[in-house]
Amino acid sequence: GEDVEQSLFLSVREGDSSVINCTYTDSSSTYLYWYKQEPGAGLQLLTYIFSNMDMKQDQRLTVLLNKKDKHLSLRIADTQTGDSAIYFCADFMDTGRRALTFGSGTRLQVQP
Amino acid sequence: GAVVSQHPSWVICKSGTSVKIECRSLDFQATTMFWYRQFPKQSLMLMATSNEGSKATYEQGVEKDKFLINHASLTLSTLTVTSAHPEDSSFYICSAPTLGTGNGYTFGSGTRLTVV
Repeated sequence: GEDVEQSLFLSVREGDSSVINCTYTDSSSTYLYWYKQEPGAGLQLLTYIFSNMDMKQDQRLTVLLNKKDKHLSLRIADTQTGDSAIYFCADFMDTGRRALTFGSGTRLQVQP
Repeated sequence: GAVVSQHPSWVICKSGTSVKIECRSLDFQATTMFWYRQFPKQSLMLMATSNEGSKATYEQGVEKDKFLINHASLTLSTLTVTSAHPEDSSFYICSAPTLGTGNGYTFGSGTRLTVV
């Protein structure tokens, strides 16, 4: 089945850029998402990218997609302490049950 | 934007009792709802897909008799954990697809279940 992997932890200083990486296995993924989860809360959609795009920018967020290597990254510019959370990448395939497959999540810690 | 309301946000129950978790789509119709389970510091694992007016589809390894899912209307899906045991303690989250795939899926705020 589909497998989505992420590094578990990232620590940055406030004001620096954060880059969270994700790899996936199924080349038929049509959309890839980034979600943010704060402690004890549900998931908040941050951004998404369609599989035929290489890059998408939305304010402080930049998503890069390397479809050949099946690699997705999320860059957060000028990281703030409020960005501390767990970030999940997820992919969607327009076949089968049409549910999202999530990575293991990356815990981002922003130090003041 | 689309909102999925999930209740309760947390619940503590005794072993052997049943707990019902509700998810409502507030301003859109959800013919499909996905139920996920999240263990501490782990990812979300899809448990089942509920479909309005038909039986739910369960993922491999999920006991359908233990996790009863009902999707009786276009705005309400429920998950009932029957005869709960401490190992059922977890964070349960529902999700519904919204406004076309590119707009993602809207998630409920989650329910933390603790079985004592």
